[in-house]
Amino acid sequence: DSGVTQTPKHLITATGQRVTLRCSPRSGDLSVYWYQQSLDQGLQFLIQYYNGEERAKGNILERFSAQQFPDLHSELNLSSLELGDSALYFCASSVTTVNTEAFFGQGTRLTVV
Amino acid sequence: DQQVKQNSPSLSVQEGRISILNCDYTNSMFDYFLWYKKYPAEGPTFLISISSIKDKNEDGRFTVFLNKSAKHLSLHIVPSQPGDSAVYFCAANKGRALTFGSGTRLQVQP
Repeated sequence: DSGVTQTPKHLITATGQRVTLRCSPRSGDLSVYWYQQSLDQGLQFLIQYYNGEERAKGNILERFSAQQFPDLHSELNLSSLELGDSALYFCASSVTTVNTEAFFGQGTRLTVV
Repeated sequence: DQQVKQNSPSLSVQEGRISILNCDYTNSMFDYFLWYKKYPAEGPTFLISISSIKDKNEDGRFTVFLNKSAKHLSLHIVPSQPGDSAVYFCAANKGRALTFGSGTRLQVQP
């Protein structure tokens, strides 16, 4: 158990809909990252928050947004969903952002039908 | 632009032998490198890391080697065990989020 909790584990929704994925980081970790893994590909970095503020952006679509709340949990919002958004979405957390390992949750499998 | 590359999608070795997984990177600004292991339906699990100021780091059966001039790192697993069968990702960091390779599926045959 990495200490990172993601909910829900599975999500099936229709095209055009909006969903919210939730992540609780490890106790004491200030940094949260979101990654997308499609079809057994590598992990694509989406966005990073550190102590409530956006720190870095990767290949995140404009239809996607995220935030980190004062209690440090984070939510990833995906809207106007398309079939191609079907993927595993992972959240990870770390104490800092520099030269440190990140610990991953078990992921949310999103299926858009 | 794929900054971290794992050119071997799969690798099969016999139990007890050495497994060598390779990774290349293009960005010389990367200063910290990591290997993760991933089982199906689970999140990646951190294995071992190495700073750019070192060329080797060892942890039990796992050793990571870094060749900065070649922009190449490798993970050696000795001896390999069937439980090591998983997808292995290398990752690199330059003060931001980790950049991952596409992974190598390792199968250790009993």
